[in-house]
Amino acid sequence: AQSVSQHNHHVILSEAASLELGCNYSYGGTVNLFWYVQYPGQHLQLLLKYFSGDPLVKGIKGFEAEFIKSKFSFNLRKPSVQWSDTAEYFCAVSRNFGNEKLTFGTGTRLTIIP
Amino acid sequence: DAGVIQSPRHEVTEMGQEVTLRCKPISGHDYLFWYRQTMMRGLELLIYFNNNVPIDDSGMPEDRFSAKMPNASFSTLKIQPSEPRDSAVYFCASSYRMGALNQPQHFGDGTRLSIL
Repeated sequence: AQSVSQHNHHVILSEAASLELGCNYSYGGTVNLFWYVQYPGQHLQLLLKYFSGDPLVKGIKGFEAEFIKSKFSFNLRKPSVQWSDTAEYFCAVSRNFGNEKLTFGTGTRLTIIP
Repeated sequence: DAGVIQSPRHEVTEMGQEVTLRCKPISGHDYLFWYRQTMMRGLELLIYFNNNVPIDDSGMPEDRFSAKMPNASFSTLKIQPSEPRDSAVYFCASSYRMGALNQPQHFGDGTRLSIL
């Protein structure tokens, strides 16, 4: 079974700082990778996804993520964060064939200080 | 387009009562997922359906939990009898597959359940 690790539990940054949230997964086969964001009191929303092709994926709100297959990683980045990026961020993985099941990481809480 | 619709948004009930959570997936989506989110355990997949058939219910915590999907546009998650440790936010999500690709799941607003 696949698993997802998000090592940063809580990250605090000032506005305009650069962001990188780590995500590592364990599964040897072909995977689909996702980052979801959950703003306080709201449901999960898709930030970006990787299926195949260019390993650098651009999502909404200026976020991007890079798939590094050799490192089993899919880190989320943003060059300059805003106060409105305060939220919880979840990395998720599913197998490309057969199984629709998403495995989520435990989430990283991001707090942006104005 | 309407997203995933869950009801009720909030539910407060006493221990021992039956609780029924409802979900309407996005039209055309043939996968439906039930998740539970708590501070302690994060986001847990409880069960998911494909074409109204339960595929994996290994995340259902106990026999007190049951889920049904009588048709493509409706699913319920029932807890009977409810216990205080069932207090959580329950999310429903839906998706579809395009060829061999699992499309992203779309989440509902969740039901915040409090068992007193």
